[in-house]
Amino acid sequence: ETGVTQSPTHLIKTRGQQVTLRCSSQSGHNTVSWYQQALGQGPQFIFQYYREEENGRGNFPPRFSGLQFPNYSSELNVNALELDDSALYLCASSLLGLAGVRETQYFGPGTRLLVL
Amino acid sequence: SQQGEEDPQALSIQEGENATMNCSYKTSINNLQWYRQNSGRGLVHLILIRSNEREKHSGRLRVTLDTSKKSSSLLITASRAADTASYFCATDEYSGYALNFGKGTSLLVTP
Repeated sequence: ETGVTQSPTHLIKTRGQQVTLRCSSQSGHNTVSWYQQALGQGPQFIFQYYREEENGRGNFPPRFSGLQFPNYSSELNVNALELDDSALYLCASSLLGLAGVRETQYFGPGTRLLVL
Repeated sequence: SQQGEEDPQALSIQEGENATMNCSYKTSINNLQWYRQNSGRGLVHLILIRSNEREKHSGRLRVTLDTSKKSSSLLITASRAADTASYFCATDEYSGYALNFGKGTSLLVTP
């Protein structure tokens, strides 16, 4: 148990729709990251939020957006869904210290999204 | 882009044997982490090794890091059927924010 939770566990959408995935970080963590994992691949970094601001982004289009709330919960929003967006979406929380030292990222169980 | 590359892609051993997985990466790192994933579920953190460390142990796990060769290895001793999973190395770079994962090693431990 990492203390990181995600909802929903599974989701089916159709092409063109919008989806919101949710994550609750581990208590005391100030950073949340989102990853996309296609079948048979390793996770790919989407973006990271630190104290409610996006402070890093991977190679994903703007239709992937996010929010981090004061209680360190987070959302991943994907607009105009495409078939290739079908994947396991993972969030991870960690603590970024004052000296910029990054500690272990703890992952949630993921949300499996299927786009038809 | 995926920086870490695990080797082998797949490994099949019997219970009681040792399993060794290797990881190579390309750029300077802050730390390197190993994760386990069962059947497409969430990632379970196994061990973190910092760039100034050469070896770490945790239970039946032993991780080594050679920054001059940009490589790491994960050794699981006395493997069990419950160790069957995919194993990923992930590098945390000084210049970035993300963990960079490879495609993983699929380990099958048969009774």
